Amino acid sequence: NAGVMQNPRHLVRRRGQEARLRCSPMKGHSHVYWYRQLPEEGLKFMVYLQKENIIDESGMPKERFSAEFPKEGPSILRIQQVVRGDSAAYFCASSPDRVNTEAFFGQGTRLTVV
Amino acid sequence: AQSVSQHNHHVILSEAASLELGCNYSYGGTVNLFWYVQYPGQHLQLLLKYFSGDPLVKGIKGFEAEFIKSKFSFNLRKPSVQWSDTAEYFCAVYNTNAGKSTFGDGTTLTVKP
Repeated sequence: NAGVMQNPRHLVRRRGQEARLRCSPMKGHSHVYWYRQLPEEGLKFMVYLQKENIIDESGMPKERFSAEFPKEGPSILRIQQVVRGDSAAYFCASSPDRVNTEAFFGQGTRLTVV
Repeated sequence: AQSVSQHNHHVILSEAASLELGCNYSYGGTVNLFWYVQYPGQHLQLLLKYFSGDPLVKGIKGFEAEFIKSKFSFNLRKPSVQWSDTAEYFCAVYNTNAGKSTFGDGTTLTVKP
């Protein structure tokens, strides 16, 4: 059973471009969480999704950021018109359900905006 | 709002020294508690977790943590650290009602050989 897979591991974008980060949860997991780790800071919750539904997006910036978890395929975190402040490590985690379970983390995508 | 506080931002120890990393949280409802470790260049891994029962939980690599409900604390301990324990440690609190975790800002542990 492969772990949570994130790709790409490293992503470089110029200011104004779009960044698409992918996360394939562990087999059998239908809950996905995205976190952002800014340099010198801890993990900050961004969004919690189940298949085809956004459950909690209270940590998502109001503009330029969106997330989806379609019925088929990976979860996508999309950042439009990236700015230098978006440079961070983005972690995805998955769990089989929302109660009494640990979340399994992917290795993260390190986004660098130049 | 739920918050998690890790008091020590950076801890430096010599090998064989004892370790205690503090973690306090603010939420008063039912929570699950976790400590994660992130070794340099690697992804987050679970060290240990507490859901219910014995408040002293043992994890991997000789780590343990004690849940003290009255103090809203879940401190991580290890009697004798090794150089290989150099990593960043995150405390996390999972709110079972909201269905999401809140992480502390992390503590960087450096163990000198």
